[in-house]
Amino acid sequence: AQSVSQHNHHVILSEAASLELGCNYSYGGTVNLFWYVQYPGQHLQLLLKYFSGDPLVKGIKGFEAEFIKSKFSFNLRKPSVQWSDTAEYFCAVNSNTDKLIFGTGTRLQVFP
Amino acid sequence: NAGVTQTPKFRILKIGQSMTLQCTQDMNHNYMYWYRQDPGMGLKLIYYSVGAGITDKGEVPNGYNVSRSTTEDFPLRLELAAPSQTSVYFCASRPLRRNEGGELFFGEGSRLTVL
Repeated sequence: AQSVSQHNHHVILSEAASLELGCNYSYGGTVNLFWYVQYPGQHLQLLLKYFSGDPLVKGIKGFEAEFIKSKFSFNLRKPSVQWSDTAEYFCAVNSNTDKLIFGTGTRLQVFP
Repeated sequence: NAGVTQTPKFRILKIGQSMTLQCTQDMNHNYMYWYRQDPGMGLKLIYYSVGAGITDKGEVPNGYNVSRSTTEDFPLRLELAAPSQTSVYFCASRPLRRNEGGELFFGEGSRLTVL
């Protein structure tokens, strides 16, 4: 069965610091990969997604993620975080099934 | 365009009571999902449906039931509420073809407390 691991459970940064959140999945076949963000009190929104092609994917609000097939990873990055990036971030994987499986999430707190 | 609408937004139940969480989408999406979100656990898939009349179990289906009589509606039923079902429930939908995006569109969530 496919699974998703997010090893950073809680990340605290100051504004302008760089961000990298880890995501690893366990499935050997073709995968579709997603990062979702959940701002406090809101529902999940899509940040970016990877289906095929360029493994470096750019999303909204300056976020990007790199798919490294050999490492089964899809890490999320942002060069300079803002206070408004405070949220919970979820990695998700779909492996040509009807189900989208989520990681446990990473809570990001950004202090001014 | 309302997207995915869930009701109620909040509900408190007593142990053993039953209730239905409603979910409606107006995007003509074939796929619909129910997830529960618990602190530190991420989102766990309860049930999903690939179209009207077709439902299947997800990761944590015990204690829940679903039906899909129309494309638009995908209600989630709790028959005998237990404290372990205290959670935030999210309904989501997506189009049939994965190359249309594959992303899920989420509702606002329903916070359920079982006392």
